[in-house]
Amino acid sequence: DVKVTQSSRYLVKRTGEKVFLECVQDMDHENMFWYRQDPGLGLRLIYFSYDVKMKEKGDIPEGYSVSREKKERFSLILESASTNQTSMYLCASSFLGPGEGSNIQYFGAGTRLSVL
Amino acid sequence: AQRVTQPEKLLSVFKGAPVELKCNYSYSGSPELFWYVQYSRQRLQLLLRHISRESIKGFTADLNKGETSFHLKKPFAQEEDSAMYYCALVDGGYNKLIFGAGTRLAVHP
Repeated sequence: DVKVTQSSRYLVKRTGEKVFLECVQDMDHENMFWYRQDPGLGLRLIYFSYDVKMKEKGDIPEGYSVSREKKERFSLILESASTNQTSMYLCASSFLGPGEGSNIQYFGAGTRLSVL
Repeated sequence: AQRVTQPEKLLSVFKGAPVELKCNYSYSGSPELFWYVQYSRQRLQLLLRHISRESIKGFTADLNKGETSFHLKKPFAQEEDSAMYYCALVDGGYNKLIFGAGTRLAVHP
């Protein structure tokens, strides 16, 4: 089974803090994604990466950055946390393909971040 | 622009009733669509994809290109079907997904 592990289930941070959310996958997937999940808005893509050291902006990258130094690990960074970044953050991975299953994303359990 | 619309935030039915969760999409090309499900306290997981044309847990979904829809259906709802359901569309390269806002299905005894 594919395993996507997010380092924290719950985080509480203060406004202005630098926050790191970590994600590790064990299936040698090329693609990794960070989403935020908000009621009524669904999942919105923040950043994704298709290879080590490669990154692409998603739909809502403002206020976030990412790092992918190793294939299995994808980090989301909030440079200066703000209250409007309070949300559930989901990490996902998939293999690049082509081929069967290439578009299927596998998700972590999520990190619920509260910024006070 | 590519978009996925799920018009219902909440769908509430009784056990044994038929269920249809609506999904409409906007895409300039041949779409690839998925339904993902999130049960309480569990991670988001794939339920089914249109190219597989399979039935999972009694759910089916047919792609209707004329109506640009991919509605999820089940003839007899069960309490264990209560969950959040998301429709998703593959967006171009790198296998990005565009998700709808989600529909919460509540099945009452």
